[in-house]
Amino acid sequence: RKEVEQDPGPFNVPEGATVAFNCTYSNSASQSFFWYRQDCRKEPKLLMSVYSSGNEDGRFTAQLNRASQYISLLIRDSKLSDSATYLCVVNDYKLSFGAGTTVTVRA
Amino acid sequence: ETGVTQTPRHLVMGMTNKKSLKCEQHLGHNAMYWYKQSAKKPLELMFVYNFKEQTENNSVPSRFSPECPNSSHLFLHLHTLQPEDSALYLCASSQETSGVYNEQFFGPGTRLTVL
Repeated sequence: RKEVEQDPGPFNVPEGATVAFNCTYSNSASQSFFWYRQDCRKEPKLLMSVYSSGNEDGRFTAQLNRASQYISLLIRDSKLSDSATYLCVVNDYKLSFGAGTTVTVRA
Repeated sequence: ETGVTQTPRHLVMGMTNKKSLKCEQHLGHNAMYWYKQSAKKPLELMFVYNFKEQTENNSVPSRFSPECPNSSHLFLHLHTLQPEDSALYLCASSQETSGVYNEQFFGPGTRLTVL
């Protein structure tokens, strides 16, 4: 089983829609979790950390479910600029990256 | 210069060549990383340096040789590479505290093609 698994997508959504996707991890002792965003042919950049109680940053909401070992990212009111690949990152004393979920927002 | 810079941005080399990738961070961080990103695959952590000391080597072939002369500079020396080594090589830095992984800042990467 892969350490971090993501649905590769692509998720094609119209502007203004809500899109959500999950990331599962295999190590129950994982310490911390992150979502990074990577635009085409660019480097990854931190989007948000994921806290146990869940957290929100504007239109983005991240949730952690330790019992089922997954984290989620929800994007509300999608913008064209949200089109990117979203990387799930899990820290279990080393950083493990998922292969990414591609989101395409269309006009 | 700000953030994390990498040179060259693109590199084409033959299997018998020797080349080096350079990374420099201007953020005052104490940890630096090399990652490999192949198409449709997760980022693969290759090396970690913390306070200039190598703390992790994820079973990387010896044809990849890292060097960290100080906490701001990181090199990846390449020799006798294989075509399957063609990928995007990303450098990152972060401020590590007591082994806790904090936000990593990535450079723009070097797109490597091995012929």
